Amino acid sequence: QVQLVQSGAEVKKPGSSVKVSCQASGGTFSNYAISWVRQAPGQGLEWMGGIMPIFPTANYAQKFQGRVTIIADKSTSTAYMELSSLRSDDTAVYYCARMVVGTRAFDYWGQGTLVTVSS
Amino acid sequence: QSALTQPASVSGSPGQSITISCTGTSSDFGNYNLVSWYQQHPGKAPKLIMYEGSNRPSGVSNRFSGSKSGNTASLTISGLQAEDEADYFCSSYVRSTVFGGGTKLTVL
Repeated sequence: QVQLVQSGAEVKKPGSSVKVSCQASGGTFSNYAISWVRQAPGQGLEWMGGIMPIFPTANYAQKFQGRVTIIADKSTSTAYMELSSLRSDDTAVYYCARMVVGTRAFDYWGQGTLVTVSS
Repeated sequence: QSALTQPASVSGSPGQSITISCTGTSSDFGNYNLVSWYQQHPGKAPKLIMYEGSNRPSGVSNRFSGSKSGNTASLTISGLQAEDEADYFCSSYVRSTVFGGGTKLTVL
């Protein structure tokens, strides 16, 4: 079955960067888009950006433009999300999610990675 | 696109039906019904329960149904069960994905 397995929790200092990985198994990696969605404590879901592995360019939410980089490594079926210039309000659980291109629905999600930004 | 509007909370008794609304503008929904709904239990990842407005993924109970009228999408849960208590999020895709703020469902 399809699984998205994310890297472990991170604690970062303000101003630093974090890179979270998401390894897919059980499906054809290149046939789907991978998005990153975050959820601050007690808050809702926020789409950050996504990438279709067969294309080299990711799309980003305007809010995160210039601060987030999403890449996909087809050889290892792994997507990465790097967020820079971290602030305390970036503290959140970060999810990767597989998007079915035709329906634009996220049918599989990673387990989430807690990123804590604290001095 | 700005965040879609959902009620912060809804509640119902076991066996009852509830409806959660998801309101946006015409630019939030576009000309396609690319509305999805997700269920999230505490400490868990979201789970897809509805796509393209009214289609249920395999394995999702037929107690869940979806619809859309104008600029409002709706999720109805019939025959409420204790296990339905969770947060529910709608999303829409036009040029990118936007989520609703989420609705906490309490089963009394």
